[in-house]
Amino acid sequence: AQSVTQLGSHVSVSEGALVLLRCNYSSSVPPYLFWYVQYPNQGLQLLLKYTTGATLVKGINGFEAEFKKSETSFHLTKPSAHMSDAAEYFCAVSGSRGSTLGRLYFGRGTQLTVWP
Amino acid sequence: DGGITQSPKYLFRKEGQNVTLSCEQNLNHDAMYWYRQDPGQGLRLIYYSQIVNDFQKGDIAEGYSVSREKKESFPLTVTSAQKNPTAFYLCASTTRDSGANVLTFGAGSRLTVL
Repeated sequence: AQSVTQLGSHVSVSEGALVLLRCNYSSSVPPYLFWYVQYPNQGLQLLLKYTTGATLVKGINGFEAEFKKSETSFHLTKPSAHMSDAAEYFCAVSGSRGSTLGRLYFGRGTQLTVWP
Repeated sequence: DGGITQSPKYLFRKEGQNVTLSCEQNLNHDAMYWYRQDPGQGLRLIYYSQIVNDFQKGDIAEGYSVSREKKESFPLTVTSAQKNPTAFYLCASTTRDSGANVLTFGAGSRLTVL
């Protein structure tokens, strides 16, 4: 079984500050890991994904995440926050080999607020 | 441009009425999904379909029904048996060719029960 825990339902940072959104997962098989972003009243957009290989993954809009198997974590970071980063962020996990196509398990989301 | 179209964007329903949410994709994706989103609860899977004329229950299927008669279309009916239907509903799709279960989402439909 897979599950995701996002630590902190709300995170606030000042513009230009480091963004750190935390995600821990559990998976009984090697995982695929994802971060999605959602702006108000819109669908979700893929920020980045980890499948295999390099554990530091770069995504769109300057975000990156590092897969740490020993810590079962996949935290999302951005060195310098921008006002346009204010949104809700979702971490998700799926199984890799043998899993149901497209079957993702989502965390509860973290609302990011960016102060000027 | 290819994508997923959900309609209507906003829908109001009286208690006891069934409503159907539309989801159409022109991405030629094999699999389609319906998620329900409530504040602070993330996304929960209602139903999914991996091929035409076949679908499976997700984690919260009670009170919902779906059909998959065409590859492009996966409508969701919220029935009167759904106890708390007010929510934001998201349709998504994917294909094995996309690699690693990457989902493409529609813009969502917000259902409010009056």
